[in-house]
Amino acid sequence: QQPVQSPQAVILREGEDAVINCSSSKALYSVHWYRQKHGEAPVFLMILLKGGEQKGHEKISASFNEKKQQSSLYLTASQLSYSGTYFCGTERMNRDDKIIFGKGTRLHILP
Amino acid sequence: KAGVTQTPRYLIKTRGQQVTLSCSPISGHRSVSWYQQTPGQGLQFLFEYFSETQRNKGNFPGRFSGRQFSNSRSEMNVSTLELGDSALYLCASSLGSTGYGNTIYFGEGSWLTVV
Repeated sequence: QQPVQSPQAVILREGEDAVINCSSSKALYSVHWYRQKHGEAPVFLMILLKGGEQKGHEKISASFNEKKQQSSLYLTASQLSYSGTYFCGTERMNRDDKIIFGKGTRLHILP
Repeated sequence: KAGVTQTPRYLIKTRGQQVTLSCSPISGHRSVSWYQQTPGQGLQFLFEYFSETQRNKGNFPGRFSGRQFSNSRSEMNVSTLELGDSALYLCASSLGSTGYGNTIYFGEGSWLTVV
């Protein structure tokens, strides 16, 4: 039931765009996105709820396709500070009270 | 507003010993979740506590246990430590219980090394 993230890793140059995908085989209620820098705590980026709107935060936005149980995180005009590992966490429709995270996508931004 | 506080930050234990990790949630938060993070497996769910009750438990052996106190502070305990228990243990708190779209906020974690 762990969501699957793709790609596993990506290297970009500053200013380029990136898309990180998260998919589940189960019906989802919500998708949570976090970024973790080496040696630090995961930091909350955004949450997408079933039936909710696409979220945006400066140059980082995300969508949630309820029919496909997929979410995508969009990083536009990437900055050096965007480097880190991105995790998606999912809550299932059966409300089984836990957030399950994918294995993460490592993003490295080159100057 | 103070964030999630975990203690100790780093510790080294010997195989067979037991360890207790502590987590103080954000003020007003009643839910505490614990995760184990390793390089190969990412964030693995251990358990969640809400109002002193364990609401859910992940697929970990019984050596892993936890509890929550009336002030929402939580502890997790690992008994009979094994080398494979070496990991970063992360605590996360949220205002309400997970499963309802509540955001969880992570602490910086406790790095456990078992030798």
